[in-house]
Amino acid sequence: EDQVTQSPEALRLQEGESSSLNCSYTVSGLRGLFWYRQDPGKGPEFLFTLYSAGEEKEKERLKATLTKKESFLHITAPKPEDSATYLCVVTGTASKLTFGTGTRLQVTL
Amino acid sequence: ETGVTQTPRHLVMGMTNKKSLKCEQHLGHNAMYWYKQSAKKPLELMFVYSLEERVENNSVPSRFSPECPNSSHLFLHLHTLQPEDSALYLCASSQQHGTEAFFGQGTRLTVV
Repeated sequence: EDQVTQSPEALRLQEGESSSLNCSYTVSGLRGLFWYRQDPGKGPEFLFTLYSAGEEKEKERLKATLTKKESFLHITAPKPEDSATYLCVVTGTASKLTFGTGTRLQVTL
Repeated sequence: ETGVTQTPRHLVMGMTNKKSLKCEQHLGHNAMYWYKQSAKKPLELMFVYSLEERVENNSVPSRFSPECPNSSHLFLHLHTLQPEDSALYLCASSQQHGTEAFFGQGTRLTVV
């Protein structure tokens, strides 16, 4: 059975304090790993797709990386508007999306 | 309009009511999904449609009934719900079943 574990569950950073979120996964035949951002009461917003180990994607202050067992979402010099829950999702040969429980990020001034 | 649109955004219904949630996608995708999100729980997949055929039904109670009349529209018909069904219901679409999904803003459902 595919599994996704995200850590930490919650993270509080000061503005400008860089950090990383972790997503550990087990999946049969990885077809893709996705990162989403979700604001309270809203639908998840798609950020990145990673397909194979060694791949990296960047968007503004966010950078996602992938190994054979985990993915990291690096946040460089975060701002308060980066506060949200970040979700990691994997899909494998079963074409089923498996979601992690997310990391709640709070960035304070 | 672009993306995935859900209506209504908020819904309060009694346990004896019948209501429907609507989802429309303007992305030309072939797969559509219904998810339930309860507080402090991961998203729970309810139904998947691929090319207008239901391909997955995750042991969802019969009081939830999906309908996919075409590849752009998805409905979730609700009847005789329970208070524990109160949650955020999310619709999503993807190019193919199992590829990256794009979500609507959700319907916040409260059953009283």
